[in-house]
Amino acid sequence: DQQVKQNSPSLSVQEGRISILNCDYTNSMFDYFLWYKKYPAEGPTFLISISSIKDKNEDGRFTVFLNKSAKHLSLHIVPSQPGDSAVYFCAASAAGTYKYIFGTGTRLKVLA
Amino acid sequence: DTEVTQTPKHLVMGMTNKKSLKCEQHMGHRAMYWYKQKAKKPPELMFVYSYEKLSINESVPSRFSPECPNSSLLNLHLHALQPEDSALYLCASSHRQGLGPDTQYFGPGTRLTVL
Repeated sequence: DQQVKQNSPSLSVQEGRISILNCDYTNSMFDYFLWYKKYPAEGPTFLISISSIKDKNEDGRFTVFLNKSAKHLSLHIVPSQPGDSAVYFCAASAAGTYKYIFGTGTRLKVLA
Repeated sequence: DTEVTQTPKHLVMGMTNKKSLKCEQHMGHRAMYWYKQKAKKPPELMFVYSYEKLSINESVPSRFSPECPNSSLLNLHLHALQPEDSALYLCASSHRQGLGPDTQYFGPGTRLTVL
């Protein structure tokens, strides 16, 4: 039972354009969502998070949008840079739990 | 500072060996985690320690034995592993104070190969 899904395994974007990565979840108990970036053979690096009391959170070039009614979140990267090329995982957790449920990841390639 | 360190970076071991993975954080975090990640898959939770006590064991085989000697250190002892245990082993830590949102910070991982 895949509670967190990233339906696009890969995405290619031109440098300077917007990258939009999507994530869907099924468990309505999830109330905290995070995005991680991962390079091969390295640990995931925390990028940005959002609590369910908000619908948007922005940090520099990264913005996360949350649509609770659709159980959908997205990560926008503007402008995209070649160094953004990596695998992006979304993760979700419920209040008071230690567990994160990770999506399967989207490989982003930013073309110079 | 959000650094979690892991040693060794790479480890190759035979099926009869005993080895240990080490994880360290000095952020004052009270929860520490072990994850296993196979290629092209998301990280899978193995163990959680909260305030140095084992809180979650995700039905991990006993050939993996975690240990939390103090609030900054987390070990994973390995014995009689199988080739299918080859993976990237990730350690993470988080504040875990109260029930509010809690961000996990990951180490760089140990790439384990079992021959």
